[in-house]
Amino acid sequence: AAGVIQSPRHLIKEKRETATLKCYPIPRHDTVYWYQQGPGQDPQFLISFYEKMQSDKGSIPDRFSAQQFSDYHSELNMSSLELGDSALYFCASSRDRSLPLHFGNGTRLTVT
Amino acid sequence: AQKVTQAQTEISVVEKEDVTLDCVYETRDTTYYLFWYKQPPSGELVFLIRRNSFDEQNEISGRYSWNFQKSTSSFNFTITASQVVDSAVYFCALSGSADRGSTLGRLYFGRGTQLTVWP
Repeated sequence: AAGVIQSPRHLIKEKRETATLKCYPIPRHDTVYWYQQGPGQDPQFLISFYEKMQSDKGSIPDRFSAQQFSDYHSELNMSSLELGDSALYFCASSRDRSLPLHFGNGTRLTVT
Repeated sequence: AQKVTQAQTEISVVEKEDVTLDCVYETRDTTYYLFWYKQPPSGELVFLIRRNSFDEQNEISGRYSWNFQKSTSSFNFTITASQVVDSAVYFCALSGSADRGSTLGRLYFGRGTQLTVWP
């Protein structure tokens, strides 16, 4: 069965650079969620989209923005990167905001 | 506010031992969902189970079983006859509150329990 695809798997950036993470949900899933998991931490909700509209917002820094496109894929844009942004970023998808969430394998971002 | 507590930070067992991972949650909602996810060293989050607040039946899936008790706000997870491949971080999570302007998919995770199974 098709799963949630995240790219890239690994990303290394320097401080103050920008990064773009991509998420391709499971086919026919119209809801996308982004989570951030710092080292040794639990995943924290960042933001979600349903039918291309933002549906909920968590503790997402103002330096981050995200959107969902017409094909339902989503991108998380991070600017002015800080060392503290180093984390595993998960995307998850579901159909019609239902549960459970299906998580991708994550993108590991390292900021140096 | 939604809150999940996993008091056990780390657990070590020897293969074939049974182990129970504890999860206590807090919510004012009458309808909610509880989850367990497994995160192996490779990092992905693997969905194990979902339980809704109206279904207190215990569930068994192979070597895994879950005990949901609303009276104590607990949703504990037991692995019977543990194996080395069970070594991972296990997260308990609670759904968001759809009726408070949030979404169900806004999951609140506990801090996780690192399970190490030794051969």
